[in-house]
Amino acid sequence: KAGVTQTPRYLIKTRGQQVTLSCSPISGHRSVSWYQQTPGQGLQFLFEYFSETQRNKGNFPGRFSGRQFSNSRSEMNVSTLELGDSALYLCASSLEPSWTGELFFGEGSRLTVL
Amino acid sequence: AQTVTQSQPEMSVQEAETVTLSCTYDTSESDYYLFWYKQPPSRQMILVIRQEAYKQQNATENRFSVNFQKAAKSFSLKISDSQLGDAAMYFCAYKGSSGGSNYKLTFGKGTLLTVNP
Repeated sequence: KAGVTQTPRYLIKTRGQQVTLSCSPISGHRSVSWYQQTPGQGLQFLFEYFSETQRNKGNFPGRFSGRQFSNSRSEMNVSTLELGDSALYLCASSLEPSWTGELFFGEGSRLTVL
Repeated sequence: AQTVTQSQPEMSVQEAETVTLSCTYDTSESDYYLFWYKQPPSRQMILVIRQEAYKQQNATENRFSVNFQKAAKSFSLKISDSQLGDAAMYFCAYKGSSGGSNYKLTFGKGTLLTVNP
């Protein structure tokens, strides 16, 4: 069974540009969540989707957005990139809507903003 | 809002020895879940162990066990017979059971564990 797949794995952008990151969850998983990981702030929750609906959003500016498609694949977008957006962006999927078990993480997309 | 604190940024242990990683949390909820996740260098994060707050018995998974003290809001991870492959960043995480906290994990800042041969 394939794991959570994130693309691209690495990317470099310049300030002011926008970026779209993609996440394909494990087959059958309908919940997808996104986290930002930085050395200073650690892991911070961005948003969570289930059945194409955003159920929860973290404390991030409106430049951060996401969506989920009918096949459960998810994308997140960051517009008007800032240097501080450089981070590892992790996607995680789970089977149930109110999961109590394991979150399955992808390897992440490492974004560098110059 | 819930918070998770890991007071040990780095720890080291000799191979085959035992090490305990600390975690405290703050919440007003009575029902919740606690997790330890492991993130090896340049590899994906995986679940090590989970604990339901309503269960008094401490969770155990092979060499990994927890000491869950609900009143003290403490959730430490004990790794017995440490192996080189245990070297990683370890994150303590909290998940609530209601409202917005139900759909996300709140992580501590992590503890970097080094295993010395």
